[in-house]
Amino acid sequence: DTGVSQDPRHKITKRGQNVTFRCDPISEHNRLYWYRQTLGQGPEFLTYFQNEAQLEKSRLLSDRFSAERPKGSFSTLEIQRTEQGDSAMYLCASSFSAQGSYEQYFGPGTRLTVT
Amino acid sequence: DAKTTQPPSMDCAEGRAANLPCNHSTISGNEYVYWYRQIHSQGPQYIIHGLKNNETNEMASLIITEDRKSSTLILPHATLRDTAVYYCIVRVGSTNAGKSTFGDGTTLTVKP
Repeated sequence: DTGVSQDPRHKITKRGQNVTFRCDPISEHNRLYWYRQTLGQGPEFLTYFQNEAQLEKSRLLSDRFSAERPKGSFSTLEIQRTEQGDSAMYLCASSFSAQGSYEQYFGPGTRLTVT
Repeated sequence: DAKTTQPPSMDCAEGRAANLPCNHSTISGNEYVYWYRQIHSQGPQYIIHGLKNNETNEMASLIITEDRKSSTLILPHATLRDTAVYYCIVRVGSTNAGKSTFGDGTTLTVKP
């Protein structure tokens, strides 16, 4: 079990560019979450998948943001036309839907800097 | 999800118990209390959760008041590695489904 992995760990981009992040959950986990965290604040929920179905989206997820999980395994989060306000840590978490299973396991995050 | 209130920072001496409070006065009957911590530059890590009974695991103990409006996370023998931001969350259900709504947490600093 290698845990939740995220790629890249760091991304610097210029305003207006598109970026894509990848999350690989723990292999048997069917639930996957994306959060965003800015400096000094707690993580903010963005969206949540169960298998390939996107079950919930936050109002924070503007139309410039899109998340996919096409085969119910890894997920991608794309930000189009990045803005300086998008600079943050993007966290992915996964979990397994089973009786008595209550942990969400977080990855190390992708730190995005928009210049 | 109910809002939680935590002190922004606390200090604790190494080897002593760290008691981290959390207020959740608007908690609903079907909402559980969860605690996570985040060590610098890492993702949050689950610690413990409970509904109304006190809970203990290998990491910590969770004390929930009888009216469920507040709780305390206890790290019985704090070490320097326990220095982290601790988040108290309330969430519907005892499963991992759905979002977690994090506040700004308590920064615990364990001092030698």
